[in-house]
Amino acid sequence: KAGVTQTPRYLIKTRGQQVTLSCSPISGHRSVSWYQQTPGQGLQFLFEYFSETQRNKGNFPGRFSGRQFSNSRSEMNVSTLELGDSALYLCASSFATGPPETQYFGPGTRLLVL
Amino acid sequence: DAKTTQPPSMDCAEGRAANLPCNHSTISGNEYVYWYRQIHSQGPQYIIHGLKNNETNEMASLIITEDRKSSTLILPHATLRDTAVYYCIVRDYTGGFKTIFGAGTRLFVKA
Repeated sequence: KAGVTQTPRYLIKTRGQQVTLSCSPISGHRSVSWYQQTPGQGLQFLFEYFSETQRNKGNFPGRFSGRQFSNSRSEMNVSTLELGDSALYLCASSFATGPPETQYFGPGTRLLVL
Repeated sequence: DAKTTQPPSMDCAEGRAANLPCNHSTISGNEYVYWYRQIHSQGPQYIIHGLKNNETNEMASLIITEDRKSSTLILPHATLRDTAVYYCIVRDYTGGFKTIFGAGTRLFVKA
């Protein structure tokens, strides 16, 4: 079974631009979560979608948004990019939401904001 | 703040067992303990999880104390490829996967 895939893998943007990242979950998985990882803050939860509905949201500004499609694929969008948004953005999927389900991570999208 | 406390780094000799401790003294009855590892900026890899019983799979064993306030991940025969950052996290069903990851333990496996 194919794992979680994320596109693009690397991205360079400039301040003020917006960016859309894509995540395709493992086949059959309906929950998709997004995380941001930076050297200073570590791994931080952004939001979780289940059956096209946002189920949980982390403490990030409204510039960070996401959505999930009927095929469970998910996108996240960051508007008005700031230098501090440079990070590894990770997507994770699971069959259902919450424990005891297991969440599997993708390889991430590395975003550099100049 | 993360609900778990882990040592920042540990060393282990190749071929020996690596025992990684985790303190989760405020864990509640419906929270599971999960372990992941991350190898140099790749996506975190799931290792194992448990509620209160000890668990074992092909990668590792998870030992949870009777009071559930701490746990230990055991890699029975560490190899150089096990060098990674290991994260211990707790999750409950009501929170979905809203998880706070701590800094983890950086495990160095040495030849």
